[in-house]
Amino acid sequence: NAGVTQTPKFRVLKTGQSMTLLCAQDMNHEYMYWYRQDPGMGLRLIHYSVGEGTTAKGEVPDGYNVSRLKKQNFLLGLESAAPSQTSVYFCASEDSNTGELFFGEGSRLTVL
Amino acid sequence: AQSVTQLGSHVSVSEGALVLLRCNYSSSVPPYLFWYVQYPNQGLQLLLKYTSAATLVKGINGFEAEFKKSETSFHLTKPSAHMSDAAEYFCAVPLLSGGYQKVTFGIGTKLQVIP
Repeated sequence: NAGVTQTPKFRVLKTGQSMTLLCAQDMNHEYMYWYRQDPGMGLRLIHYSVGEGTTAKGEVPDGYNVSRLKKQNFLLGLESAAPSQTSVYFCASEDSNTGELFFGEGSRLTVL
Repeated sequence: AQSVTQLGSHVSVSEGALVLLRCNYSSSVPPYLFWYVQYPNQGLQLLLKYTSAATLVKGINGFEAEFKKSETSFHLTKPSAHMSDAAEYFCAVPLLSGGYQKVTFGIGTKLQVIP
């Protein structure tokens, strides 16, 4: 039972490069989220999706784009990476019956 | 807007001592309150969840939390700390925004357990 899987787990980018983080869930959840975690700031919501084909901005959306072409996948893109985007990124899906979030193991991104 | 405040970004306790991690929510009573735990290099996992059914909630690994409306608190406790409890703990609450409820997290409290 895989749950929520994030790829890649680690990545180093140079300023201005682009990349995509992939999140896949096998629990048939409608809601999916991308958070970033930084020391002393907890988890901050970047973007979220309430179903296939939908996306919406969270608390800190600037510099990121997302897509939810398939229900099980939620992609987070950085078009032009900046050092301020160095962080650990977590994807989560939500069981809408209980409100419980299920998290991936995180993707550690460093932008030089 | 609904939010949570965690007092103390770092807490140290001796092994076997009481664990108390504090969380206060903003004034309106939320439908749910959560505590999540994050072990090193892992994602968050649910520790326990408050619904209106009971004010004292028991979670995994011997943790429990009590919802106190008069104090707008949902503090997490464990009678006797174990070395394996060393982790970061997050209080969280659903936030209604844009017609949807999205979970918002406190800044987290790192628990250190001293042998």
